[in-house]
Amino acid sequence: DGGITQSPKYLFRKEGQNVTLSCEQNLNHDAMYWYRQDPGQGLRLIYYSQIVNDFQKGDIAEGYSVSREKKESFPLTVTSAQKNPTAFYLCASSINEADYNYGYTFGSGTRLTVV
Amino acid sequence: GEDVEQSLFLSVREGDSSVINCTYTDSSSTYLYWYKQEPGAGLQLLTYIFSNMDMKQDQRLTVLLNKKDKHLSLRIADTQTGDSAIYFCAETLNDYKLSFGAGTTVTVRA
Repeated sequence: DGGITQSPKYLFRKEGQNVTLSCEQNLNHDAMYWYRQDPGQGLRLIYYSQIVNDFQKGDIAEGYSVSREKKESFPLTVTSAQKNPTAFYLCASSINEADYNYGYTFGSGTRLTVV
Repeated sequence: GEDVEQSLFLSVREGDSSVINCTYTDSSSTYLYWYKQEPGAGLQLLTYIFSNMDMKQDQRLTVLLNKKDKHLSLRIADTQTGDSAIYFCAETLNDYKLSFGAGTTVTVRA
C-alpha cells in the first residue's frame, strides 16, 4: 500500500542537540511539506519542497533545516538554534497538478520532546 | 493558516448534528477540504468540494460552499463519539499549497 511514513513516533532531545526526523513516501508525489503543531495553534509550515533538490522556507523555518536529495525522502533536522522545539511534527506530500483534488496526504507524526 | 478562520471549539450531544464553520480568503481556490485529526495522529482527508459546487453529500457528511461569502461548512449528521476530533478546513493557493485553519475541536458528549 502507498503511504507516507514518519519515524520515530516519539523522540527525545537534550538541550543543545540536533535531531533529524524522517519522512518517506512511496506515492510518487512531487511535493513534500513539514508542519509543526502546537496545542491550540493549528498547523504552521516549516519548509516545503516542490521538486527534488529544491526547497523553500515556510512561515517558521528558523532553527530547522531540510534536504530533498530523493523524491521519496524529505528529512527535517531540528537544530540547537530552535529554542522551543517541543511539538508535534507532521510531514505531508502532494501532487502538483491543477486538477488534483486529493490535497495532501499526511504522515502519522513525530512527537519531539526536549528533556 | 492565519487566512482561514474557524471557531476553536464545538460541543455536541451524541446523536445530534454538528456544524463546523470556516471562512477563507482566496476566491480563486479550486478545491476546499475538510481534514480530521484524532489524538496523536496525522490528518486524514474527510471530504473535499470543488469550487463550482454549492453542496456535496457523502454519507453522514454534508459540505456547503458559499463562494460569495467565502464560507465553507461541514455538517456531520447523527454525531457519534468516534467523531470527537479536531477538524481542519483548508483552501488551495496558487502554487498548489494548502492553507489550513487553526482547527475546530469537536467534543461529543453522551
